[in-house]
Amino acid sequence: QKEVEQNSGPLSVPEGAIASLNCTYSDRGSQSFFWYRQYSGKSPELIMFIYSNGDKEDGRFTAQLNKASQYVSLLIRDSQPSDSATYLCAVRGGSGGGADGLTFGKGTHLIIQP
Amino acid sequence: DAGVIQSPRHEVTEMGQEVTLRCKPISGHNSLFWYRQTMMRGLELLIYFNNNVPIDDSGMPEDRFSAKMPNASFSTLKIQPSEPRDSAVYFCASSRPLGLAVTDTQYFGPGTRLTVL
Repeated sequence: QKEVEQNSGPLSVPEGAIASLNCTYSDRGSQSFFWYRQYSGKSPELIMFIYSNGDKEDGRFTAQLNKASQYVSLLIRDSQPSDSATYLCAVRGGSGGGADGLTFGKGTHLIIQP
Repeated sequence: DAGVIQSPRHEVTEMGQEVTLRCKPISGHNSLFWYRQTMMRGLELLIYFNNNVPIDDSGMPEDRFSAKMPNASFSTLKIQPSEPRDSAVYFCASSRPLGLAVTDTQYFGPGTRLTVL
C-alpha cells in the first residue's frame, strides 16, 4: 500500500518569505514525484515534477528530491498572497512502461499573509 | 487547446439512483484516470485506462462502480445504485507519453461534485 504523507497545516508564511512544503512517501519503487496546487473548489493544477535526486527549479518554485530518505519538498520563493492554496504531493511508481495512476497526499494548506 | 472536459459539473441525486459521470480527455492524450476526492480520504485513484483499455481498477470501491472508455475521446464512470457515502468530487485526468514514462504528467478536468441524498 503506497502512502504519501504531508503535514495538513495550515502553514502560515509572510508575504515575500520562502514557503517550504514537505512530503514523505513509503514506496521505494516510486519513480516520479509531482506537486499540484489546488484552490478551494477548483481542480488540481500541476506546478512541477521531479524524478532525479537533487533540486529542480522553475521560476519561484524549487522541487527537491531525496530518494534515500524518501522525501520530497517544494520551496516557494517570494511568496505571494495568490500562492495561498492547498499543495498536493503525488507519487507515481511501478514500471516505466505505460502510465500509472498517482498516489496523493492529503495536502498542505498554505496561507500567505500580506 | 481545450482541457479535460467533464459533465455534469454538479449532480444531486437520491440514494438508489444511477449516476453517470462523463469525461472527454485532451485530444491526443492516450491515458485517462478517474479520481475521487473527499475531505476524509483526500484524492484517490479509482481506475485508469491506457489506449482505451482498463489497466488498474483496484481503486474502485465496490461493484456498484463501473467505468468504460469506448473510444479515445470519451469515458464514463457509473455508480449504480448510488449511496450517500459516494458523495464526493470526481475528477477525470488525462496524460500522453512525453518520451520518458517518468515524465508523463496528468492534467485534471474541473470535476463533478456529486451529492447523494
